[in-house]
Amino acid sequence: GAGVSQSPSNKVTEKGKDVELRCDPISGHTALYWYRQSLGQGLEFLIYFQGNSAPDKSGLPSDRFSAERTGGSVSTLTIQRTQQEDSAVYLCASSLEASNPREQYFGPGTRLTVT
Amino acid sequence: AQSVAQPEDQVNVAEGNPLTVKCTYSVSGNPYLFWYVQYPNRGLQFLLKYITGDNLVKGSYGFEAEFNKSQTSFHLKKPSALVSDSALYFCAVRDVDFNKFYFGSGTKLNVKP
Repeated sequence: GAGVSQSPSNKVTEKGKDVELRCDPISGHTALYWYRQSLGQGLEFLIYFQGNSAPDKSGLPSDRFSAERTGGSVSTLTIQRTQQEDSAVYLCASSLEASNPREQYFGPGTRLTVT
Repeated sequence: AQSVAQPEDQVNVAEGNPLTVKCTYSVSGNPYLFWYVQYPNRGLQFLLKYITGDNLVKGSYGFEAEFNKSQTSFHLKKPSALVSDSALYFCAVRDVDFNKFYFGSGTKLNVKP
């Protein structure tokens, strides 16, 4: 079946612009996760959703970052007034549910470059 | 605070030799531990997980990992490395209370013919 998809695959934007990153999880997966992978770094946990609810937003790097999920499916990560340090690969993952220690299925990522 | 450490940025091994990629963790309570692999230009793929039970966990592609509670380690192992195993490997721990995942910085495995 279809895996996790993300769009766009690449995004180049000017400093100060807003960007929206999209994630389509695997059908039936109620848990959805966003991560950031900077060059040479590990994965930085940003936020997770169980259904449409995000119980913990403390992983978001600043108030310029926000995320939402509607209909228990698609999620968007929005970065306002982008800065060069926001340049990274943004990964989305989904799993059957958050309450059980299920493995996550990752999308291919969106490579964001802020010039 | 929960955390994961992968002390080696890179591991080099000859094809056919055994390999070990190290991971240590710090959690409060019982750990849920995972290994993921990232091949070049591809997304992360799940390899294996430890939740409870046997300390030796077997996963995909012939990999296994040994959970050692006293040493707070979860090292990834394979008896005989393949060139195709060359990739970036990530260890992760799940925060039971808050459903957060903490990933290590990754270890690049190079398997040479």
